[in-house]
Amino acid sequence: GQQVMQIPQYQHVQEGEDFTTYCNSSTTLSNIQWYKQRPGGHPVFLIQLVKSGEVKKQKRLTFQFGEAKKNSSLHITATQTTDVGTYFCAGRNSGNTPLVFGKGTRLSVIA
Amino acid sequence: NAGVTQTPKFQVLKTGQSMTLQCAQDMNHNSMYWYRQDPGMGLRLIYYSASEGTTDKGEVPNGYNVSRLNKREFSLRLESAAPSQTSVYFCASSVNRGGETQYFGPGTRLLVL
Repeated sequence: GQQVMQIPQYQHVQEGEDFTTYCNSSTTLSNIQWYKQRPGGHPVFLIQLVKSGEVKKQKRLTFQFGEAKKNSSLHITATQTTDVGTYFCAGRNSGNTPLVFGKGTRLSVIA
Repeated sequence: NAGVTQTPKFQVLKTGQSMTLQCAQDMNHNSMYWYRQDPGMGLRLIYYSASEGTTDKGEVPNGYNVSRLNKREFSLRLESAAPSQTSVYFCASSVNRGGETQYFGPGTRLLVL
């Protein structure tokens, strides 16, 4: 079945450093979504990428979808303590298959 | 708009007991989902309902049953709880199954002793 792998599992950074999490799929994806879960909270949708090679920005967050639509990344510039949480990617094959979530990357930011 | 609501927020069960987790959404979404979240395992899909009247198994359906009571409500039942079912359970909904944004409820923390 479809698998979505996400690395690293954990990342500790000093406030102000950059952070990147990577997502790789065993199959070509029709789209990929990114979610953020604050400690003790629930996942909240951040963005969706659909096109090959697509790049989207939200303030300090940059999302990329690979040319082959099998990988994606989330990059945070100059992390802040408000960025703390777990970031999940989720992708689906074409058709009506449900989203498959990666295991997430837990980000901690040291002030 | 409450979004997605879940009850209870926290539950402790003894092995072998049964319980039903409730989920409701007020966004007129067609599709609803149940996930479990365990440390280091991400979100794993238990069951989903693409539309009212239909349910399908996800990645980890064993030990669970679901009911799509109406368009708003989707319940998850544990017939005979086991310690391996200790987890945080999230309900989610989306407009349709086709890859749209999923909106998550606050979660139910379940401890099975």
